[in-house]
Amino acid sequence: AQSVAQPEDQVNVAEGNPLTVKCTYSVSGNPYLFWYVQYPNRGLQFLLKYITGDNLVKGSYGFEAEFNKSQTSFHLKKPSALVSDSALYFCAVRGAPARQLTFGSGTQLTVLP
Amino acid sequence: EAQVTQNPRYLITVTGKKLTVTCSQNMNHEYMSWYRQDPGLGLRQIYYSMNVEVTDKGDVPEGYKVSRKEKRNFPLILESPSPNQTSLYFCASSQRTGSETQYFGPGTRLLVL
Repeated sequence: AQSVAQPEDQVNVAEGNPLTVKCTYSVSGNPYLFWYVQYPNRGLQFLLKYITGDNLVKGSYGFEAEFNKSQTSFHLKKPSALVSDSALYFCAVRGAPARQLTFGSGTQLTVLP
Repeated sequence: EAQVTQNPRYLITVTGKKLTVTCSQNMNHEYMSWYRQDPGLGLRQIYYSMNVEVTDKGDVPEGYKVSRKEKRNFPLILESPSPNQTSLYFCASSQRTGSETQYFGPGTRLLVL
């Protein structure tokens, strides 16, 4: 069975500092990896995904993520955090072939002014 | 505008009273899915559908039913709701599975008394 772990329930970072939100996964076959963001009282919005190719994936709002096959990780990063980045972030994985998208438990990011 | 819509957005009901949450997408997507979101548990998949008349159980299907009679609609049915089904529900769709990005509806917050 496939699974996702987000080891940190909460990440706090000062505005302007770099941020990292961690994600590790377990899946059969090559993974499809996703990051979604959820703002209060809103649905999930797609940020970025890794399918194949370059291990560094760039997405929306200046976010990027690095796929590390040996460590089975897909950490989300941003060089300079904004207060408006404060939200709940979900990592998700789908194996190939697989019909289900499995989500992690989420990480609440708070960027302090 | 491409979107996934859900109705109602908020619902309070009593134990045992049948209810339906509707989901509709206007993107001609083949794949649709229902999730529930609970604190500390992330999103868990309830049911999914690969296409019209094709549905399958996700990770937490007990107490729920779905149907896919038309490509655009994927209603979630709770025939006899119980308090443990109090949750935030999201519908999502994508063109197919695999590497495709899922698009989420705004969510339905359900309280079962």
